[in-house]
Amino acid sequence: DAGVIQSPRHEVTEMGQEVTLRCKPISGHNSLFWYRQTMMRGLELLIYFNNNVPIDDSGMPEDRFSAKMPNASFSTLKIQPSEPRDSAVYFCASSRQPGELFFGEGSRLTVL
Amino acid sequence: GIQVEQSPPDLILQEGANSTLRCNFSDSVNNLQWFHQNPWGQLINLFYIPSGTKQNGRLSATTVATERYSLLYISSSQTTDSGVYFCAVSNTGGFKTIFGAGTRLFVKA
Repeated sequence: DAGVIQSPRHEVTEMGQEVTLRCKPISGHNSLFWYRQTMMRGLELLIYFNNNVPIDDSGMPEDRFSAKMPNASFSTLKIQPSEPRDSAVYFCASSRQPGELFFGEGSRLTVL
Repeated sequence: GIQVEQSPPDLILQEGANSTLRCNFSDSVNNLQWFHQNPWGQLINLFYIPSGTKQNGRLSATTVATERYSLLYISSSQTTDSGVYFCAVSNTGGFKTIFGAGTRLFVKA
């Protein structure tokens, strides 16, 4: 079975530009998570969905961040406008049962 | 919210040595996972272990939920074991999963 698929793997952009990160969860998994990893803050949960519905977005840093899950096989995390402090690795994970997460390989974002 | 503490923060081992990593959590949990983040950044599932003991090759894990801790044992360590080991927990409802800060392991050849 294919794992969680994220794209792009690497993104370099300039401050003020829009960034869209994409995620395809494992087929049959009904929960999807977006995490951000930085040296200073470790792995932070940004938002998670259950059955395509956002359940908890309390970790989303500010209004510049938004996430959608239009169907069971696709989710996006958008940053508009991007800032240098958004530079991080963004991970998507999916789950079939509570508490057992499977991660994608991450999207490394650099905002200049 | 629930707090997760991992110890030690850093660990250096000689190849072939054994080690124990610890994860303490501040509240009761329904789920607990151990992950290994390799030097390339991939997060790899090691164990899903809300309670009890599991073994997979040279690795084993034990969770004592009533005492709010979990242990990860690495035996006969190899250089490929290097990386960061994370403990992640979730409680009632089970979906909001919180990570500890990790234990950074370096195994010397």
